[in-house]
Amino acid sequence: KAGVTQTPRYLIKTRGQQVTLSCSPISGHRSVSWYQQTPGQGLQFLFEYFSETQRNKGNFPGRFSGRQFSNSRSEMNVSTLELGDSALYLCASSLEGLAGIPGELFFGEGSRLTVL
Amino acid sequence: AQSVTQPDIHITVSEGASLELRCNYSYGATPYLFWYVQSPGQGLQLLLKYFSGDTLVQGIKGFEAEFKRSQSSFNLRKPSVHWSDAAEYFCAVGGRLLTGGGNKLTFGTGTQLKVEL
Repeated sequence: KAGVTQTPRYLIKTRGQQVTLSCSPISGHRSVSWYQQTPGQGLQFLFEYFSETQRNKGNFPGRFSGRQFSNSRSEMNVSTLELGDSALYLCASSLEGLAGIPGELFFGEGSRLTVL
Repeated sequence: AQSVTQPDIHITVSEGASLELRCNYSYGATPYLFWYVQSPGQGLQLLLKYFSGDTLVQGIKGFEAEFKRSQSSFNLRKPSVHWSDAAEYFCAVGGRLLTGGGNKLTFGTGTQLKVEL
C-alpha cells in the first residue's frame, strides 16, 4: 500500500513569489491535513480537507490556502512568500475522524520550502 | 484552548538504559492522545495512541505510555533503548472539541532523543 506522497520534496523561492505544494493521500483516505513544521514553533496545524471541503482551519493568514480534489489529492498554496514561511510542510492523510474521534494520521516526508 | 507541553527539549540516554519522555496536556474535553516519532528527513510515524480504557497503552517498537488524568500527563516509556531509537518524539492531543468531527491535532514542540553507544 503506497504511503502519502508529497511533491516537490525541496524547493527554493524568493520573497514575494508564490508556491504550490501537492499531496497524494493513501488510497481510501478522504481526509488530508497540512502542518507547518519549524524549529521555533514546532508543528502548527494549517488546515484539513475532507471530501473536497475544508473541515478545520488553523491560525494562519489568508496567504495560506488549500484545496482538495475529487480523488482526495490536495494542494496547498502560499502567496506573497515571506522569509518566515521557510519550513517543512507536512501532509497527513487519515480516515474520516467522525464523532470527534480523530483518526490516525499518516504523514508524508514533507516539502521543505526555503524562502530567500 | 488545547495545548501540549513537552518539558524536555533534549534527552541523552545510553543504549540499553530505560527511557521516559514527559508530556503534559491541556484539553477541555475527553482527550485523545498520541505519540509520534520523526527520524531525520522523514515524516512522522505513529508510535501509539490512547482513546479510552486501559490507561497503559502499548505501541510499536517496544514503547508504552501511561495516561494519568489527575496529572494531565501521557508519558512515553521504553525499558531498554536501542541506538535506532534516536529521533525526535512528539506528543499530540485531539478530540471532541472539534465540531463536525475532524482530525486536527495539537502537537508538543518535541523531544530530541540522543542515544549514546
